Amino acid sequence: DTGVSQDPRHKITKRGQNVTFRCDPISEHNRLYWYRQTLGQGPEFLTYFQNEAQLEKSRLLSDRFSAERPKGSFSTLEIQRTEQGDSAMYLCASSSTGQSSYEQYFGPGTRLTVT
Amino acid sequence: GEDVEQSLFLSVREGDSSVINCTYTDSSSTYLYWYKQEPGAGLQLLTYIFSNMDMKQDQRLTVLLNKKDKHLSLRIADTQTGDSAIYFCADSYSSASKIIFGSGTRLSIRP
Repeated sequence: DTGVSQDPRHKITKRGQNVTFRCDPISEHNRLYWYRQTLGQGPEFLTYFQNEAQLEKSRLLSDRFSAERPKGSFSTLEIQRTEQGDSAMYLCASSSTGQSSYEQYFGPGTRLTVT
Repeated sequence: GEDVEQSLFLSVREGDSSVINCTYTDSSSTYLYWYKQEPGAGLQLLTYIFSNMDMKQDQRLTVLLNKKDKHLSLRIADTQTGDSAIYFCADSYSSASKIIFGSGTRLSIRP
C-alpha cells in the first residue's frame, strides 16, 4: 500500500490555460475527495466520489472545474481557463466504506501556480 | 453554517506539554479530527474522537471533547522538535461526508 498519490506535484501555468491533475487513491478505497488549500488556510472541500459516482460538489467548484472518476479508481480534476485566484494546493483524499470509513487519508497535493 | 476555529500560533518549550484548542459550530458533528501538516508534506491524520466520547489517549496525544461547549483540544506531552508543524482541527457529520477544517495552529518549539 503506497498511499494516495497525486501527479503532478507542481504545475505552473499561464492564465487562461487548462490544467488537469490526477489522483490515485489507496487501492480498494472507493471514496475519493478533492480539497483545495490556499496559503494560511485549512483545506476546503471541493467534491466527493463514491466509486464512479460524483455524490457531492461544493459551490466553490465553479463551471470551470470538472472532476471525473470514470472507472472508480483514479480521478482527474480539470480546471479550464485558469485564473490567478485558482493558485492553490489541490489535495486528494481517499477512504474506505468499511470499519474505518471516517478516516480520510490525504495525498501530497498538487501545487498550482497561475501566472 | 459549519465553522471550525482555532488559534493561529502556539510556542512551547521543548519537553513541555502543548495544548491546542479548537471550537466548532456544527452540533451534528460526529467525528472530530486532528491532522498534522509539516512543511512541504501532505496532511497526516494524527488522531480522531467520536462525538460520544469525552477523551481519547494515544501515546503522547490526549484529545478532550466538551460537546456541550463544542470545544476540542489536543494535548501533546513532552513536546519535541519533531512536533513542529501546523495542526488542523476538523469535523464531519458522517463517515462519508466532507471534512470541515479550521485554519490551523502553527506549533513552534523553543529550545
